[in-house]
Amino acid sequence: GDSVTQMEGPVTLSEEAFLTINCTYTATGYPSLFWYVQYPGEGLQLLLKATKADDKGSNKGFEATYRKETTSFHLEKGSVQVSDSAVYFCALRETNAGKSTFGDGTTLTVKP
Amino acid sequence: NAGVMQNPRHLVRRRGQEARLRCSPMKGHSHVYWYRQLPEEGLKFMVYLQKENIIDESGMPKERFSAEFPKEGPSILRIQQVVRGDSAAYFCASSPLGPDEKLFFGSGTQLSVL
Repeated sequence: GDSVTQMEGPVTLSEEAFLTINCTYTATGYPSLFWYVQYPGEGLQLLLKATKADDKGSNKGFEATYRKETTSFHLEKGSVQVSDSAVYFCALRETNAGKSTFGDGTTLTVKP
Repeated sequence: NAGVMQNPRHLVRRRGQEARLRCSPMKGHSHVYWYRQLPEEGLKFMVYLQKENIIDESGMPKERFSAEFPKEGPSILRIQQVVRGDSAAYFCASSPLGPDEKLFFGSGTQLSVL
């Protein structure tokens, strides 16, 4: 079945540091890929998505590129802020499938 | 346009009691998904419903758990005879058209079984 593997956390960075959170996936078809963010006490929010190979999703300074050859969708940001502290989830959804499959989440803490 | 509304935010039950979790999707959304988040784990899919239909329940435990999304009113996730292992955060999500759309999540219900 489908699966998503994320880099284990927690990740602690200083403000303005470079961020990478690794995500690899296993899927039978050609899924869409997503990054969601969860702030304390809240539900998940979509951060960015990519629907086909070589697409780059971007939002709020975050980027991720759909790499079919390495089955990866790594999340990057050039300069993190304290307000980026949250839990980040990588997810996939197969074409015409109802459910999304999520990774275990990576907790990011950014210190001033 | 209100977001996905879940209630209650926190629910405490004793072993053997029933838990009923409610989810009102965003206005205009007819697809509802339930996920469970256990401590220190990711989100695990439970069930996908459209109005009056269960589309995919492959993630639902075979016993004690049921879900519905009636023509009128919220979606309900029902857990009978709760056990301590049911303690988790339960998230509801909705989407407007179908599986290819992004999910909009509620804030979750934290179930604690004593």
